[in-house]
Amino acid sequence: QQPVQSPQAVILREGEDAVINCSSSKALYSVHWYRQKHGEAPVFLMILLKGGEQKGHEKISASFNEKKQQSSLYLTASQLSYSGTYFCGTERDNSNTGTASKLTFGTGTRLQVTL
Amino acid sequence: DTGVSQDPRHKITKRGQNVTFRCDPISEHNRLYWYRQTLGQGPEFLTYFQNEAQLEKSRLLSDRFSAERPKGSFSTLEIQRTEQGDSAMYLCASSRPRGLGRSGANVLTFGAGSRLTVL
Repeated sequence: QQPVQSPQAVILREGEDAVINCSSSKALYSVHWYRQKHGEAPVFLMILLKGGEQKGHEKISASFNEKKQQSSLYLTASQLSYSGTYFCGTERDNSNTGTASKLTFGTGTRLQVTL
Repeated sequence: DTGVSQDPRHKITKRGQNVTFRCDPISEHNRLYWYRQTLGQGPEFLTYFQNEAQLEKSRLLSDRFSAERPKGSFSTLEIQRTEQGDSAMYLCASSRPRGLGRSGANVLTFGAGSRLTVL
């Protein structure tokens, strides 16, 4: 089942912060975040594994709440280059089989950063 | 590392024709994925391979769609008797397990995609 992302779109002024949420109804092994600019392929940002870790990459960080099967992406002091569509991709927890499964992507959050 | 290559980048075809897309993954990646993306939507899973074995196929993939990965290297996705609803960007991605835990977590590297327009 497709994860649900919110908000669908957000417009920021340069320097403002934003939070993008991703939630799943299934038990997850990992949550991935990708950014896609218009006409380009999605580019990997970061991955969070079950265990509730938090990661950061410059001014972009993310968290994963394993109990709630939710992840949030935090963009601080946004820059023009952050504009694009952000997708979360979820990988289900196949503990029984011990194998990795496919990534299922959300519908995306369109972020526009303006001057 | 030359990245994931897809060919052709653009394909315009008439309804009813067959089309084939090719994907060359990153050489050391053993997993290869096909996704389809339409405007304003996230990538939609079609199928994936581990080496030459096709491990999962979406129910969305009708009998008109077939994918192969002979010898576990490049892959082809063929669409027979194309319909206008097949118009989309077809994305290929490859990955290798990160070696964490039992199953590893796949970080996907996407190709630039093959855009299909069915007239």
